[in-house]
Amino acid sequence: GAVVSQHPSRVICKSGTSVKIECRSLDFQATTMFWYRQFPKQSLMLMATSNEGSKATYEQGVEKDKFLINHASLTLSTLTVTSAHPEDSSFYICSMCRVNTEAFFGQGTRLTVV
Amino acid sequence: GDSVTQMEGPVTLSEEAFLTINCTYTATGYPSLFWYVQYPGEGLQLLLKATKADDKGSNKGFEATYRKETTSFHLEKGSVQVSDSAVYFCALIRHSGSARQLTFGSGTQLTVLP
Repeated sequence: GAVVSQHPSRVICKSGTSVKIECRSLDFQATTMFWYRQFPKQSLMLMATSNEGSKATYEQGVEKDKFLINHASLTLSTLTVTSAHPEDSSFYICSMCRVNTEAFFGQGTRLTVV
Repeated sequence: GDSVTQMEGPVTLSEEAFLTINCTYTATGYPSLFWYVQYPGEGLQLLLKATKADDKGSNKGFEATYRKETTSFHLEKGSVQVSDSAVYFCALIRHSGSARQLTFGSGTQLTVLP
């Protein structure tokens, strides 16, 4: 099946610094990309969606200036958590869809802000 | 908007027991339906899918049938194993032109005891 590579898998950063998470499709072009956040023992919370040729659409309550999403190409999306704080610590997961198929997920990134 | 409602957990079963996790949805048009599985500390993996009414998705002993008349996609397995312990997410993707709307249920934690 299609492969989505997400890295880093784990990152620890100091409060106030920025962290970039990369999500790349290895063998297909993604028309739509999603970024999710997951708290312990909870479901996935959609942060933003970006479709081909459009800027990311953020969900209500998600600060777009804090969580910068760049849909750089049909195979690459990045999420940058700017000026991270301990409350941003979470598990972040990317997902990519290609035309008329299911969504493929990255392995997730465990972010810890200290 | 679209929504997915799935059975609340946690669900605890003994090995070889029968599993059912209920999932119902509301969506306009003709969405594709999916079950994803998440093992501890990992991203999501596609378990099975169905893209049209009456389709049955199956994989690793799990099955689910797309029932348009009841707007349901219940997950079943005849005999669970300890290795099936994970969180299971029901999801739908609705296609609208080039855009994709991906909606998840809240997830159901399954624990299988030996």
